Amino acid sequence: DQQVKQNSPSLSVQEGRISILNCDYTNSMFDYFLWYKKYPAEGPTFLISISSIKDKNEDGRFTVFLNKSAKHLSLHIVPSQPGDSAVYFCAASTDNTDKLIFGTGTRLQVFP
Amino acid sequence: DAGITQSPRHKVTETGTPVTLRCHQTENHRYMYWYRQDPGHGLRLIHYSYGVKDTDKGEVSDGYSVSRSKTEDFLLTLESATSSQTSVYFCAISGGFGNQPQHFGDGTRLSIL
Repeated sequence: DQQVKQNSPSLSVQEGRISILNCDYTNSMFDYFLWYKKYPAEGPTFLISISSIKDKNEDGRFTVFLNKSAKHLSLHIVPSQPGDSAVYFCAASTDNTDKLIFGTGTRLQVFP
Repeated sequence: DAGITQSPRHKVTETGTPVTLRCHQTENHRYMYWYRQDPGHGLRLIHYSYGVKDTDKGEVSDGYSVSRSKTEDFLLTLESATSSQTSVYFCAISGGFGNQPQHFGDGTRLSIL
């Protein structure tokens, strides 16, 4: 059973607009969440993370929101740029382990 | 970029042959991981290591073994490769617990015919 779900396989957004990528999880023990970006033929690159004691974390154009009651997190990219076109993975872990559980990814395309 | 090198980057081999993938890091990080990425599954943990000679199984460990004789090297071995092990394999490192992100190598594309 998929503990971390990204239900949108793809997303297309115009340059300059906001991109919102969503992630749902089922394990209430998860307390650390991360977003990775992946370009073809490269490894995933760490983007931003959030601890369960927070509901928002911001880093430049990237903001992650966490709604623990809904078991939902989202990544906002504002403004979106063509270079943001990539596959985005959310991941989660629990306090007593360093093992990450990944979602299946969302392919973001930012067009001019 | 984190100093992680995976070798080889690409490999094609036949069913039943042994295969070893290597991950080398220059960051002196304690924790190392092997993942595989397949369509529809994201990345799944195969094995991980929390120190020299200390390893443990991940989510999809069947058919794989690992070894870590030095801090900087983490080897993944397929003793007898099967077509279901055709995948892209990623190595990751981290400093350990305390909400530290893992950093990934660029992957090895393995095809088993």
